[in-house]
Amino acid sequence: AQSVTQLGSHVSVSEGALVLLRCNYSSSVPPYLFWYVQYPNQGLQLLLKYTTGATLVKGINGFEAEFKKSETSFHLTKPSAHMSDAAEYFCAVSGGPNFGNEKLTFGTGTRLTIIP
Amino acid sequence: DAGVTQSPTHLIKTRGQQVTLRCSPKSGHDTVSWYQQALGQGPQFIFQYYEEEERQRGNFPDRFSGHQFPNYSSELNVNALLLGDSALYLCASSFEDAGGEQYFGPGTRLTVT
Repeated sequence: AQSVTQLGSHVSVSEGALVLLRCNYSSSVPPYLFWYVQYPNQGLQLLLKYTTGATLVKGINGFEAEFKKSETSFHLTKPSAHMSDAAEYFCAVSGGPNFGNEKLTFGTGTRLTIIP
Repeated sequence: DAGVTQSPTHLIKTRGQQVTLRCSPKSGHDTVSWYQQALGQGPQFIFQYYEEEERQRGNFPDRFSGHQFPNYSSELNVNALLLGDSALYLCASSFEDAGGEQYFGPGTRLTVT
C-alpha cells in the first residue's frame, strides 16, 4: 500500500521568496514520485518526477525536488516565487513499472498563494 | 501534438441518472486511467484500461464502469448517480509500464442535483 502526506494545505510566500512544499510518502516498494500542478479549472500538469538515479530532480518553471529515502520525503522547492506560481500542488507516488502498480496515489494538495 | 482531451467539459445530472464521460489519450499512448477529484481533495484512482481491458481498479463501487476502444480512447460510465458523485473527473494517459508518469486532460465537471 502507498500513501502520501502533504504538510500544510495552504502555504503563502512573498513574491521573490523561497517556495517549500512538503511531501512525505509511504510505500512498500521502491517508489516513483511526482509533483503535479493544477491551475484553477484545469487538469494536472506534471512538474517533475523521480524514478531512479540522481535524487535531486529539476522540473519545469524553475522547480526542483529532492528524494530522501531515509526521511521518506520528496519536498518541492523553488528559489524565487513568481506570481504565476499561485496554484494547487499535488505530490503523488506510484510503485513503478516493475511492480505492476502504475496507479498514482495523490496527497490532498497544497494551495500556494503568492503575496505581491 | 494533441494532448489528452475530454468531453463534455461540464455536465449536470439528476440523482439516479446515468452518465458517460469520454477521453481521447495523448497521441502514442495506449493506457488510460480515470480519477475522481472531489472539491478540495486530491484525485482518487478509479480504474485503468490497457488493451481494452480493466487492468487495475481503485476502491469504487460497481456503479462505475469503463471501456477502452481499439483506438485507445475510453469511456467512464456511472450508473444510479448519487449527490456524492459530484466531482471533477480526470482522464490520464500513458505508455504501458510508464511507472506512473501520466498526462492529464482538463477534466469533466459533473454536478449531480
